[in-house]
Amino acid sequence: KNQVEQSPQSLIILEGKNCTLQCNYTVSPFSNLRWYKQDTGRGPVSLTIMTFSENTKSNGRYTATLDADTKQSSLHITASQLSDSASYICVVSDRGSTLGRLYFGRGTQLTVWP
Amino acid sequence: EAGVVQSPRYKIIEKKQPVAFWCNPISGHNTLYWYLQNLGQGPELLIRYENEEAVDDSQLPKDRFSAERLKGVDSTLKIQPAELGDSAVYLCASSPSTEYNEQFFGPGTRLTVL
Repeated sequence: KNQVEQSPQSLIILEGKNCTLQCNYTVSPFSNLRWYKQDTGRGPVSLTIMTFSENTKSNGRYTATLDADTKQSSLHITASQLSDSASYICVVSDRGSTLGRLYFGRGTQLTVWP
Repeated sequence: EAGVVQSPRYKIIEKKQPVAFWCNPISGHNTLYWYLQNLGQGPELLIRYENEEAVDDSQLPKDRFSAERLKGVDSTLKIQPAELGDSAVYLCASSPSTEYNEQFFGPGTRLTVL
């Protein structure tokens, strides 16, 4: 069964600290993995997209890693800010183009305290 | 560039009443998606359109849900009659025809059924 599991379910950190979110998947075949940020009351916004051949990709203070062999990904947030408080969703696509079906994790709810 | 537009943003109705949501995708995006998102969960696909054709509606509860995209641009999602369990956020997303199937989400419509 194609699944995407994220951990932790929720996380509280202090402003300025770093954190790492985890994503494990069983989706097969695999095309790409993306991390989305979803602010409260908003739709998800893409942070990074990685294909099978990529093992790291950065977007500002966000760095995603991918290990396609172990089917694991992580999202590292450096020097957190209050605006980082959001849900972070890991999504795996089973093929490229719009033919691909997306499998969503439940998200990790991150709260950054001042 | 304008993003995905959805309306209304919020809707409160009594059970057994009908309700409709509207979505205007990003110009030039041929693929359109409707998702349902419950609190603390990732989005779940309801239906996917390629232009005006529904190519994946396997998760759409067809006894009460219907959708249309008559001219391959705007789309409406309807529920009739609504049930208490339909309370959720309904997200619309669109995607250009690219290799990575990147999806751009609208802000969603939060439906509350009383």
